Amino acid sequence: SYELTQPPSVSVSPGQTASITCSGDKLGDKFASWYQQRPGQSPVLVIYQDDKRPSGIPERLSGSNSGNTATLTISETQAVDEADYYCQAWDSSTVVFGGGTKLTVL
Amino acid sequence: QVQLQESGPGLVKPSETLSLTCNVSGGSISSYYWSWIRQPPEKGLEWIGYVYYSGSTKHNPSLKSRVTISVDTSKNQFSLKLSSVTAADTAVYYCARGRYGGNNYYYYYMDVWGKGTTVTVSS
Repeated sequence: SYELTQPPSVSVSPGQTASITCSGDKLGDKFASWYQQRPGQSPVLVIYQDDKRPSGIPERLSGSNSGNTATLTISETQAVDEADYYCQAWDSSTVVFGGGTKLTVL
Repeated sequence: QVQLQESGPGLVKPSETLSLTCNVSGGSISSYYWSWIRQPPEKGLEWIGYVYYSGSTKHNPSLKSRVTISVDTSKNQFSLKLSSVTAADTAVYYCARGRYGGNNYYYYYMDVWGKGTTVTVSS
């Protein structure tokens, strides 16, 4: 079965840029999505089809996908960005999630 | 604006069947895929399966044949049944709307999520 690997945690200082990676075999040949989950809340779609933002998602959040790695980049990181982030892809007609990355804004 | 609401028992006994329903309001259930996702305490997201409004389904192979997902377009809702539950099935269960498409490469992502419902498996 297909697997997506994320780092368990990423730390960033306020105002700096955070990058969260998601690795999978030939992931660049698939579409990646990203979800943000704040404590006690439901996941929220923040990036779909590699680099598209749903309405209401700030431009500070961006996505890319190439080779074996998809990346969620958060620029000018704010305290409100502190959350768990999950990547997701579609493989063999099934949904696959990464293990999640906890973003800490120090 | 489409909203999803999960409902069902919060406590299920081991070996019994977990049954949940997701009510779709503010929009039609037609022309979309509808997924169930769960999250065990302090763990990540696990996709359970989806149903297309036409009734076709797909589920996570790791759950083997315990999963049944169905749709009722007349009630604008879809349902999950998970049989032979154990403590490992204790989780927050979410329903979500799926968007599917593509040409050479296909995508599936979930753009609207319910608030989730906690299900505990215990005697």
